[in-house]
Amino acid sequence: GAVVSQHPSRVICKSGTSVKIECRSLDFQATTMFWYRQFPKQSLMLMATSNEGSKATYEQGVEKDKFLINHASLTLSTLTVTSAHPEDSSFYICSASTYGSYSTDTQYFGPGTRLTVL
Amino acid sequence: QQQVKQSPQSLIVQKGGISIINCAYENTAFDYFPWYQQFPGKGPALLIAIRPDVSEKKEGRFTISFNKSAKQFSLHIMDSQPGDSATYFCAASTAIYNTDKLIFGTGTRLQVFP
Repeated sequence: GAVVSQHPSRVICKSGTSVKIECRSLDFQATTMFWYRQFPKQSLMLMATSNEGSKATYEQGVEKDKFLINHASLTLSTLTVTSAHPEDSSFYICSASTYGSYSTDTQYFGPGTRLTVL
Repeated sequence: QQQVKQSPQSLIVQKGGISIINCAYENTAFDYFPWYQQFPGKGPALLIAIRPDVSEKKEGRFTISFNKSAKQFSLHIMDSQPGDSATYFCAASTAIYNTDKLIFGTGTRLQVFP
């Protein structure tokens, strides 16, 4: 149980294009989903937290107009990197938890999406 | 105060040995401490987690030791195997800020040699 999928697993795009990454919880309803970015040999950096049906909360320093997050249902969240540039190349990982506010619970991570911007 | 400090940065252990990774935190509001294992090119996978009401939790070869007064917790991998070679992250979170946001340590790259 508690499986999270991401699509695509790898994407290569040209500078200036937009890329959409999907995150799905396959066997549970995720009230909260998280998006992380991870550079090589570094830790996970939280970009934003999203709750189903409401606007995402972005971490300090993350441009919300560049990284658009939509959490349309309890099983799907999307991250769109708009006007991607080479410095946006990274490993993007989503996670999902079954509880939102007022309690802590386990985050289950997706397999990640490797984005390369040429 | 939101940081979680993790050490060592890298660890080399012989097969059958014990691997020990340590983490320390400042924020006394943290009430959930998971450990994640990550293989190259993959997402992190939950290994084991503990809450502050117990001082130790064991699952198979993996044990978390928790010292609330010292604000430290550690992961012990008994009988380490080459298949355990991965990067390990400790993390902490609290419900007080109405979020499940995890604060991650910097990671420990473990290499287990046959």
